[in-house]
Amino acid sequence: KNEVEQSPQNLTAQEGEFITINCSYSVGISALHWLQQHPGGGIVSLFMLSSGKKKHGRLIATINIQEKHSSLHITASHPRDSAVYICAVCEAGGGADGLTFGKGTHLIIQP
Amino acid sequence: NAGVTQTPKFQVLKTGQSMTLQCAQDMNHEYMSWYRQDPGMGLRLIHYSVGAGITDQGEVPNGYNVSRSTTEDFPLRLLSAAPSQTSVYFCASSLISGPHGELFFGEGSRLTVL
Repeated sequence: KNEVEQSPQNLTAQEGEFITINCSYSVGISALHWLQQHPGGGIVSLFMLSSGKKKHGRLIATINIQEKHSSLHITASHPRDSAVYICAVCEAGGGADGLTFGKGTHLIIQP
Repeated sequence: NAGVTQTPKFQVLKTGQSMTLQCAQDMNHEYMSWYRQDPGMGLRLIHYSVGAGITDQGEVPNGYNVSRSTTEDFPLRLLSAAPSQTSVYFCASSLISGPHGELFFGEGSRLTVL
């Protein structure tokens, strides 16, 4: 089973700062998901990627397959970005049950 | 477009009681799954389905049953609730069979078992 580690576990930053959240995994994967969970709320998919880089608004996700590592960046952070960010990986050759989740990074953006 | 709808949002049960968490999606997704989320742990898969009439166990299936009689609905049944089943439950769906496509989650159901 894949080991998924996220860092940092908790992050507090000031509005406007550039944010980086990291995700590393132990076994080769076919896809990696970044998810966002607001306090008391549901979970929203931000990105699904298998190589390279994706950008959506102020969010950028990158993945390095060789190094088994992905990063989620937030530019010009805003208090509404405060949430838990979750990394999940789908193992290469894994079946429909092959999704492993990290424990999440709790991000607080202070005004 | 409702997406994935879960009910109820909150439920309190006594030990030994049974209940059903409902999950419905209107996106014609083949893949549906149930997860539980506990403090300090990542989401864990309970059961999943790759299409109507097909279900399978995930990482933590004990104490739970599922069925998939239609593409739209995937209810999760707790047969005899135990305090260890106190958790937040999420239903998710994906167009692609398996977790290789974009995942759509419900709002979650917070269950407390006394």
